[in-house]
Amino acid sequence: GAVVSQHPSWVICKSGTSVKIECRSLDFQATTMFWYRQFPKQSLMLMATSNEGSKATYEQGVEKDKFLINHASLTLSTLTVTSAHPEDSSFYICSAGGLTGIPTDTQYFGPGTRLTVL
Amino acid sequence: TQLLEQSPQFLSIQEGENLTVYCNSSSVFSSLQWYRQEPGEGPVLLVTVVTGGEVKKLKRLTFQFGDARKDSSLHITAAQPGDTGLYLCAGNSGGSNYKLTFGKGTLLTVNP
Repeated sequence: GAVVSQHPSWVICKSGTSVKIECRSLDFQATTMFWYRQFPKQSLMLMATSNEGSKATYEQGVEKDKFLINHASLTLSTLTVTSAHPEDSSFYICSAGGLTGIPTDTQYFGPGTRLTVL
Repeated sequence: TQLLEQSPQFLSIQEGENLTVYCNSSSVFSSLQWYRQEPGEGPVLLVTVVTGGEVKKLKRLTFQFGDARKDSSLHITAAQPGDTGLYLCAGNSGGSNYKLTFGKGTLLTVNP
């Protein structure tokens, strides 16, 4: 099946520092990758959609200068939380869609990254 | 903006009971997915339904897509503690961006 990995699985950082989270499709190429944020016991909130080689499309209310997304290849997308603050603490999940041979509307999710900002 | 209303939001039942989770919208979706998520992990795809009126079964789980492709349900028969988790429905409205609209989720607890 389609496997998506995320690294790191958890990270603790000091307020004001930047944190980079990687999302990789391990054995397939993904046209589109998505970044979500999730608070405890709540649903996923889409932050942005990224297509390889082009700028990410951010959802309303998501600061693009704070959450930098780079999708340099068909197997890797990164999310950088710049100048992190405690309110940025959350569970960040990526997913991959548009996979060759997979229904175009199906997304496969990574295991998530728990970010804690002290 | 398309919305998916998912209910109930919380459900706590005893082992062996049956349950149904609903997802409703006023919008038409080209497909709808159901995911299950455990704490600290990413959502895992259970099923994708595409055709109006479609019914899919996955062991004790039965998924239905409404005739008008605006609603869906998940029915679990004889629930087990291992079914505990957050169940999410997500709809795709079509188009080339593969974007999903998620329901708010149903947190299911099955007590032994």
